Amino acid sequence: EPEVTQTPSHQVTQMGQEVILRCVPISNHLYFYWYRQILGQKVEFLVSFYNNEISEKSEIFDDQFSVERPDGSNFTLKIRSTKLEDSAMYFCASREGAQPQHFGDGTRLSIL
Amino acid sequence: GESVGLHLPTLSVQEGDNSIINCAYSNSASDYFIWYKQESGKGPQFIIDIRSNMDKRQGQRVTVLLNKTVKHLSLQIAATQPGDSAVYFCAENAGGTSYGKLTFGQGTILTVHP
Repeated sequence: EPEVTQTPSHQVTQMGQEVILRCVPISNHLYFYWYRQILGQKVEFLVSFYNNEISEKSEIFDDQFSVERPDGSNFTLKIRSTKLEDSAMYFCASREGAQPQHFGDGTRLSIL
Repeated sequence: GESVGLHLPTLSVQEGDNSIINCAYSNSASDYFIWYKQESGKGPQFIIDIRSNMDKRQGQRVTVLLNKTVKHLSLQIAATQPGDSAVYFCAENAGGTSYGKLTFGQGTILTVHP
């Protein structure tokens, strides 16, 4: 069964550094998402992306965040200058049409 | 400052029992609901979904019930197995121009004892 894949599984970064989280959505999906989950808390929406542009973003997704679909297969989340509070699991999801979103297994981001 | 995690509701059952996990949602405009299962170290895994024009939907060993009057969603798992142990989240989508944005509930920890 096709799945969403995310790399790396764990990223450790110094505060203030840039980080790029990578996702390969399911191949025929057209809608892409990033969510995050702080340890012990619920999953929170960050951003949705369709037709090469951001469809919607949350208050969390400030100017330090950006997303890109650099080619036909990858979907990336960049955090320009990381803060301690950016430490979380980051999940990528994709969907096709009216179907449910399918999630990857996430990247654990640890900011030191 | 110190961050405090949510104290998740827990449900503990014996193998073979039926489990019922409940979820209250807040947005009366939500028209699509999904239950996800999350195992330790993994992403949310789709279980079953339901649209607001239905009040019940059945899958393999799982049933979702939707009560729009009281904004309540439940997930019933028949003959629960140890492999069902996980955190279960309900998620809602407000439809319209929300482009599939999901709002997740806080989750329920299900523990199945052999």
